[in-house]
This record gives sequence, C-alpha cells and structure tokens, in this order.
Amino acid sequence: QKEVEQNSGPLSVPEGAIASLNCTYSDRGSQSFFWYRQYSGKSPELIMFIYSNGDKEDGRFTAQLNKASQYVSLLIRDSQPSDSATYLCAVNWATGNQFYFGTGTSLTVIP
Amino acid sequence: EAQVTQNPRYLITVTGKKLTVTCSQNMNHEYMSWYRQDPGLGLRQIYYSMNVEVTDKGDVPEGYKVSRKEKRNFPLILESPSPNQTSLYFCASSLRGTDRYYGYTFGSGTRLTVV
Repeated sequence: QKEVEQNSGPLSVPEGAIASLNCTYSDRGSQSFFWYRQYSGKSPELIMFIYSNGDKEDGRFTAQLNKASQYVSLLIRDSQPSDSATYLCAVNWATGNQFYFGTGTSLTVIP
Repeated sequence: EAQVTQNPRYLITVTGKKLTVTCSQNMNHEYMSWYRQDPGLGLRQIYYSMNVEVTDKGDVPEGYKVSRKEKRNFPLILESPSPNQTSLYFCASSLRGTDRYYGYTFGSGTRLTVV
C-alpha cells in the first residue's frame, strides 16, 4: 500500500460550488498533514496544515482530518476558476523526518 | 521576501557530465529537502537535511549527492547524470518546531534534461 493516496481526477466543479478533495494514508502513528496547490508549470505552494482530528478553516479552505478512518480532505468553498490546479496531499510521521506526497488531484472549476 | 532560490531553471546536459543545482533559502529554516517530480509518480524525496552537516537519504537517493555546509544552502549534485534523471527538481525548506513541521516553501524548480 502506498503511503499516501489521492484520486488523480480530473475533478470538475462549477464556479461557486464546493470542491471536495480526499487523501488516504497508511497508519503509522501520529501524523501531520499538509495540502499544497500546484498550478501547471509552477512549484507547489502551501495551502494549510492540520495536526488534530476535526476541521480547520482558513478563508474558503477547510481541512478535515479523521485519523480513525485514515483520511484527510480539503474543501474549497465558492470555487473560482483560479482554483483550477493540482492539489497535493503530504504527510509527515512524528517518528521520522520524511515527507510523503500523494500524486495529486487535478481540479477544474468551470465558469 | 521569504523565498527559496534555485538555479538554474532549465538545464540540458549530456550523460556523464557532472552538474550542480544550487538552492538557497533566506528564512533561516533548519530543514531543507530535494524532490523530483515525474508524471504519474508525484513528488519523491531525494535527500533531506535537518541542519548544517546533517543529511539523510529520502526515497530515491541513487545517483545524487548533497551537502549542507551552511544553513541557507543545500546544493544537489549529480556526479554522472543519466537519462533516467531527466525530471523536474524542486528544493524546499521548512520551519521545524519541537515536535512538528509547518509546511514547505518550494523553490521555482529546475527542469533537467539529460541526453
């Protein structure tokens, strides 16, 4: 089993809708989770991180972590065409210093 | 401006010709890392460094070397590049707390082609 898995998509949502991106991971104890956005031809940029079970909100973005079910999700409210990008999930386990990335989910927001 | 600076942005080289990709950050981050990004494989960690003179292998270290002589710099060295090292490379740094990281700042990337 891969350490971190994402549905590659593409995921298409209409402008103004909620986009939901999911990520599952191997269970290796305490973890930290990160969501990055990567536009085509650009470097990834950090959206947010989450460490504890539950929701964490930052503007239009909400990260949801469920450690019992081993998934972390990113919700984008009021999706805009500028949100069209690939979204990368990454995990760091507290027992180590490596980061593992999923292969990313491509999101297209249709005007 | 807080940033990670990589050079060069594009590089075409021939098999076996040693090359170095430079990386520098101005955020005083302890943790730095190199990744390669390939279609369908995502970002894979090559090497990382916890601090000056402290480096460790990631998942795909074969064919690469790194050094960390100064906190701000973390160059990636390909002693004898081969075509399978053709890829998009990213340097990244992260602030590290007592028990967790706070997410990467990535460089702009280096697109390397080995012919």
